[in-house]
Formats: sequence, C-alpha cells, structure tokens
Amino acid sequence: TQLLEQSPQFLSIQEGENLTVYCNSSSVFSSLQWYRQEPGEGPVLLVTVVTGGEVKKLKRLTFQFGDARKDSSLHITAAQPGDTGLYLCAGDQGGSEKLVFGKGTKLTVNP
Amino acid sequence: DTGVSQDPRHKITKRGQNVTFRCDPISEHNRLYWYRQTLGQGPEFLTYFQNEAQLEKSRLLSDRFSAERPKGSFSTLEIQRTEQGDSAMYLCASRRRNTGELFFGEGSRLTVL
Repeated sequence: TQLLEQSPQFLSIQEGENLTVYCNSSSVFSSLQWYRQEPGEGPVLLVTVVTGGEVKKLKRLTFQFGDARKDSSLHITAAQPGDTGLYLCAGDQGGSEKLVFGKGTKLTVNP
Repeated sequence: DTGVSQDPRHKITKRGQNVTFRCDPISEHNRLYWYRQTLGQGPEFLTYFQNEAQLEKSRLLSDRFSAERPKGSFSTLEIQRTEQGDSAMYLCASRRRNTGELFFGEGSRLTVL
C-alpha cells in the first residue's frame, strides 16, 4: 500500500495550459515537500509546506497543504516546456527521520 | 561544488558480483540517506545515518545490502551477490536537521545483467 498517492500518474499538455496534480494520503504529515526530477538527475526541492491550509506560490507554481495535513496539490499556470519533469511529493511523519515519497506525476509540456 | 556527489554514476555488472557505491554529502550535513528508485517509481527509503550511526533501515534492505558511514562523513552502500532485481538508481541525500530540504546527488545507476 502506497502511503502517498499521486495523481495523475502521467500528464501531457500543450504549452500555455494550466494543470493541477495531487498528492493524497490517509496519514497526517508534519510537513510535506514537493520535488521535481529530470531524467538522470536527483530530485530537487521546490517547496516545503508545514501548516494545514497553507498556500505557497513560487512564480507560476501554487502549492497547497490540506487543512488536515493529509493531502496537497500543485497547480501550474501557463505551463512551459521547461516545466517538463517528474513531480514528486514527499511526506515527513515527524516521528521518523525518513521522508516517504509518492510515485510521482510525469508531466510533459509540448511546445 | 559543494553538493552531494555520488560515484560511480553508472555501473554494469553481472549477476552474482558485488558492487559498492560511494556518497559524499554536503559537509555540514550530519544526516545522510540512501534511497532506491526504479523506473516509473518514486524514491524508496533504504537507510539513514545521523553522523556515523545507522539509525533506521528499511525492510527493503536485505542481508545482501550493507551501508556504512565510518567517520560520519562519506558513506558506502555495498550490494553483495547482485540480482537482476537490484537494477535501479541508487540515490544518496543529505540534510542538516530532521526537518528541511533533502539535497540529492545525481544517483548511481546499477544495471545487473
């Protein structure tokens, strides 16, 4: 059973479109992080959300942490080909040092 | 460059051989993690060190896997008697404290023939 479920698994859109990807769990997390990974590279942190209901914006990317701290979403406005990559959410349960990752959403933005 | 570095980047080996990967974390980070990532999956936690102490191991880490961080600096991950199912990207990451960004290396890709 996957602790963090990400959806959709694959997403292919045209440049300029908006999109939202989701990260859901039945568990509560003390914090949740979003990473972006390009082929052949390690994941790179985009944002950390800590407070339930928190919304963070990073240029065209908007991240939201659910009120109950069990889910999160990433919204991208006016997607660009440079946004192409694997988007991973990762949860920190607080009692453990390990960060648990979802399977990721593979985003392709076509020019 | 003061990022996390991993060596080798790629390793092709025959089934049954032993392989060792090395990770040099960011120098001021006392926490070091090993993850495994297979195609189409997110990284799966293998083990974690705080300084030289190995504090947590996943059930994924079978008896054939061993990790060390002898002086609290670099770490090695050894896989003995490799199997085809061990083929994956092995990622090392470090962070300064128990909450905060994980800084990943570029990974060591293992192919077992």
